[in-house]
Amino acid sequence: SQQGEEDPQALSIQEGENATMNCSYKTSINNLQWYRQNSGRGLVHLILIRSNEREKHSGRLRVTLDTSKKSSSLLITASRAADTASYFCAPLATNFGNEKLTFGTGTRLTIIP
Amino acid sequence: GAGVSQSPSNKVTEKGKDVELRCDPISGHTALYWYRQSLGQGLEFLIYFQGNSAPDKSGLPSDRFSAERTGGSVSTLTIQRTQQEDSAVYLCASSPGQLGAYGYTFGSGTRLTVV
Repeated sequence: SQQGEEDPQALSIQEGENATMNCSYKTSINNLQWYRQNSGRGLVHLILIRSNEREKHSGRLRVTLDTSKKSSSLLITASRAADTASYFCAPLATNFGNEKLTFGTGTRLTIIP
Repeated sequence: GAGVSQSPSNKVTEKGKDVELRCDPISGHTALYWYRQSLGQGLEFLIYFQGNSAPDKSGLPSDRFSAERTGGSVSTLTIQRTQQEDSAVYLCASSPGQLGAYGYTFGSGTRLTVV
């Protein structure tokens, strides 16, 4: 399965601190995406990193990818209360031209004001 | 529309009844996924459509589940003879092309409760 597995399952930090979430996956991927989910409904796409990239930045987000270890990390700097949400990594694998985007169980991030 | 629209937003049904869940993707988006999310859990892949290609149905949990996509646009997920374990939020997502190059846009989901 290409399912990502996030670590830790839950994380609580003080507002202003940095939050780091990790993701491991099992098979070769084309890219890996990170999503945020508030209140258990729709997910919002945060950032995508391709298999030939090692690091990517978007605002307060920094994503790294290590394909040799089949792992990725998401760093949120200077956290805010509004960052409280669940975060999911989603490895996208291809097989004979067919893609499949799968998700793990997520990291529940709580920012304490 | 501006986003992915799912209907109904909530559905309560009696065990044994059939239900239809609808997804209207963003116009022009060729890729469409259905996922299921149980309370506090991750997303379980159900089915993937890409243009006119045969869908990847490998995630459908049983033959009670089926999905179609008409005209490469609207998709309907049908659950026959619903069971209590089918209770979950069903999410739909679409993307302009392959490999989610621009990420996937999700709808707000349909919360299905089987009583």
